[in-house]
Amino acid sequence: DTGVSQDPRHKITKRGQNVTFRCDPISEHNRLYWYRQTLGQGPEFLTYFQNEAQLEKSRLLSDRFSAERPKGSFSTLEIQRTEQGDSAMYLCASSWTSGSQEQYFGPGTRLTVT
Amino acid sequence: AQTVTQSQPEMSVQEAETVTLSCTYDTSESNYYLFWYKQPPSRQMILVIRQEAYKQQNATENRFSVNFQKAAKSFSLKISDSQLGDTAMYFCAFMKHDIGGNMLTFGGGTRLMVKP
Repeated sequence: DTGVSQDPRHKITKRGQNVTFRCDPISEHNRLYWYRQTLGQGPEFLTYFQNEAQLEKSRLLSDRFSAERPKGSFSTLEIQRTEQGDSAMYLCASSWTSGSQEQYFGPGTRLTVT
Repeated sequence: AQTVTQSQPEMSVQEAETVTLSCTYDTSESNYYLFWYKQPPSRQMILVIRQEAYKQQNATENRFSVNFQKAAKSFSLKISDSQLGDTAMYFCAFMKHDIGGNMLTFGGGTRLMVKP
């Protein structure tokens, strides 16, 4: 399967702990996006990379959140000092530069903070 | 900033019938894309259909078609011959046309149930 993959699929953590999620985009895609989706809502944009450069960040991305894409391939999203309000599905998507810029989504990582 | 509104939180339709999901958006951009995404229960989001704002012709994709009214900033999705597999959350999404790439702005979603 050459689609977008995310790991882990589920994560349960205690409040105050740090967590890290990984996203592997479709191999030829140079753009990678992170979104957050709370229950019953549409996804909200968090941040975006073109190759290894982080080009845009949402105001939702507080200083407890950091994202990297060190070699322009996979990306990691880290949340420090997790809070209960961080409980959500974290979605990764990737796209190519040209054409319609259609974004292909991964299955998501569901985070539960207890 | 763009906003996308889906006014129907839930809808249901009988198998083989037609259903229309509504979406309105607000933007000052003149060039943009609109999308409908489908998110089946516990499965990943997939693209259903895409419309470029500069195209007057409404997009169609097999049983799925849109009614794009640019002046009214309306973008509805029509599903013909509904199938049980169409049961899912449907999200309308907006993206600026930016060669540098851009984020999707999603509506709140419509939960569609197709009944046998």
